[in-house]
Amino acid sequence: GAGVSQSPRYKVAKRGQDVALRCDPISGHVSLFWYQQALGQGPEFLTYFQNEAQLDKSGLPSDRFFAERPEGSVSTLKIQRTQQEDSAVYLCASSQRQLSSYEQYFGPGTRLTVT
Amino acid sequence: AQSVTQLGSHVSVSEGALVLLRCNYSSSVPPYLFWYVQYPNQGLQLLLKYTTGATLVKGINGFEAEFKKSETSFHLTKPSAHMSDAAEYFCAVSGVYGGSQGNLIFGKGTKLSVKP
Repeated sequence: GAGVSQSPRYKVAKRGQDVALRCDPISGHVSLFWYQQALGQGPEFLTYFQNEAQLDKSGLPSDRFFAERPEGSVSTLKIQRTQQEDSAVYLCASSQRQLSSYEQYFGPGTRLTVT
Repeated sequence: AQSVTQLGSHVSVSEGALVLLRCNYSSSVPPYLFWYVQYPNQGLQLLLKYTTGATLVKGINGFEAEFKKSETSFHLTKPSAHMSDAAEYFCAVSGVYGGSQGNLIFGKGTKLSVKP
């Protein structure tokens, strides 16, 4: 079946604008993760959902970042009042089960550039 | 806290040569370990993982890795490099052992170049 999809693939925002990034996980996957990947770095954990419940948001860098998954499928990562340091690739991943040993399937990412 | 260190941000090998990408981890509990590959403008794809059992793990595209607890290492190898192996490789450890959350903690990545 289809993999994890993300939209838009590229987003340019002026500093101070709000943005919304969408993730469509693999159908039936329970777990959903958001990661932030800065240029030349490995992905860093932002937040985790198990179905519709946000179980961990410890990686969100500030209260300008907000994520939701209201029906336990599609998820949206929202960034308010964007700043230049928010420029990065935002990766979404989903997993069939909520166990650490299960593979995470990654989407292609959304490259956010804040000017 | 768990962490991952990948030695060498860039590795260059000739086509047909051995590929060795190094990964060391820090974990207070038995880790789950993963290697992912990322091609330009694409998401990460799982190459292989170690959870329990056999310490030598075989993955896709001819890659394998060996979990060495005494050395806290999980190095990735491939006997003979192919041009199509040129990509960035990330080693990762699972954030929670056996629990309900599996967020990954990644190293900074190693970019592999393959020369003809």
